[in-house]
Amino acid sequence: EVQLVESGGGLVQPGGSLRLSCEASRFAFSSYWMSWVRQAPGKGLEWVAGIKKDGSEKFYGDSVKGRFTISRDNAKNALYLQMNSLRADDTAVYYCARDVGDIVATMFDYWGQGTLVTVSS
Amino acid sequence: QSALTQPASVSGSPGQSITISCTGTSSDVGGYDYVSWYQQRPGKTPRLIIYAVTNRPSGVSDRFSGSKSGDTASLTISGLQAEDEADYYCSSYRSTASLNVFGAGTKVTVL
Repeated sequence: EVQLVESGGGLVQPGGSLRLSCEASRFAFSSYWMSWVRQAPGKGLEWVAGIKKDGSEKFYGDSVKGRFTISRDNAKNALYLQMNSLRADDTAVYYCARDVGDIVATMFDYWGQGTLVTVSS
Repeated sequence: QSALTQPASVSGSPGQSITISCTGTSSDVGGYDYVSWYQQRPGKTPRLIIYAVTNRPSGVSDRFSGSKSGDTASLTISGLQAEDEADYYCSSYRSTASLNVFGAGTKVTVL
């Protein structure tokens, strides 16, 4: 079965940076769009960013545009999220999700277990 | 950005049918057949249960069905079971601002 395993979360101070990773296995990683989706504690889901199969196109939610950067390494079956200028409202569980629509951010059929990012002084 | 509008909670007795609405605009729900629904049980990761408005992934019970009329999409759960207690989120592709928007979620309680 498809596996997505996130890592890199932790406690960071406001204004700091963090890089999340997602290791994918048991499917043809380079054949799929991929996205990051987050969920603040006790809150709903929010799409964060998405990236095309070959990494040539990247898209971002309004709340992270200019601060976060999504990337991928198809040779390593890995997805990344570089998060800069972190704010308290970025505190959330960050999920890596396989994006199976024909365009970005339409349907997410597999999700990782998530990694918690806490932004606090 | 405004989330899609869902009722905060819906409840029903075992065996009954319930419907969860998800209202957006012509820039998202009404403009595209890219509405999906996710089930999230307590402490678990989201699970895709409906995609492209009406389609069920393999392995999802046929008790779950989706539909859309205008700017409002709906998820119907028939033959409600205790295991259906969860939060349900709708999602849609959006042509303006962020490319995807989720609803705030609906908590389903089986009485």
